[in-house]
Amino acid sequence: GAVVSQHPSWVICKSGTSVKIECRSLDFQATTMFWYRQFPKQSLMLMATSNEGSKATYEQGVEKDKFLINHASLTLSTLTVTSAHPEDSSFYICSANRDRGREQYFGPGTRLTVT
Amino acid sequence: GESVGLHLPTLSVQEGDNSIINCAYSNSASDYFIWYKQESGKGPQFIIDIRSNMDKRQGQRVTVLLNKTVKHLSLQIAATQPGDSAVYFCAENKYGGSNYKLTFGKGTLLTVNP
Repeated sequence: GAVVSQHPSWVICKSGTSVKIECRSLDFQATTMFWYRQFPKQSLMLMATSNEGSKATYEQGVEKDKFLINHASLTLSTLTVTSAHPEDSSFYICSANRDRGREQYFGPGTRLTVT
Repeated sequence: GESVGLHLPTLSVQEGDNSIINCAYSNSASDYFIWYKQESGKGPQFIIDIRSNMDKRQGQRVTVLLNKTVKHLSLQIAATQPGDSAVYFCAENKYGGSNYKLTFGKGTLLTVNP
């Protein structure tokens, strides 16, 4: 149990376009979902935390207008990278917990390449 | 500020040897410490965690040690196998506001030589 999926697994987009990444909890209801960004050979950095039905809480330095997060249901959160630029190329990973528990279940990640 | 970091960025061991991966942390107020394994191109995989009021916890082939005096965390892997090759992250898990929040360390690349 506690499986989290992401779609797509990889995406290439042109500079200036927007791209949406989905994060789904497949066999549980996720009270909270988290979005991380990971640059090559670096650690995971938390971007934002989202609770179903409410606005996401962004970490310091993360542009909320550029990284739009929607958590419309207990099993789905989306991250939209707006007006993407090459520096947004990264590995985006989501996670989810249930019942506000301490354990986060991670998705497989989405590789974004902006050309 | 708060940080969770690692002493060694890379570790190379022979198959069958024991591996020890170290981590230093600076925030004493964390509730749990967690070790994750991340294979190339994949999301992190939970290995083991330890509550902040404990000093040792064992799992299958893994042991986590927590030394709060020197703010040091280690992961010991017994009889390391080629499948253990990955990047290992320590992470601090702290409850604040309405959620637990993870802060990841820098990672250690473990390479197991056959």
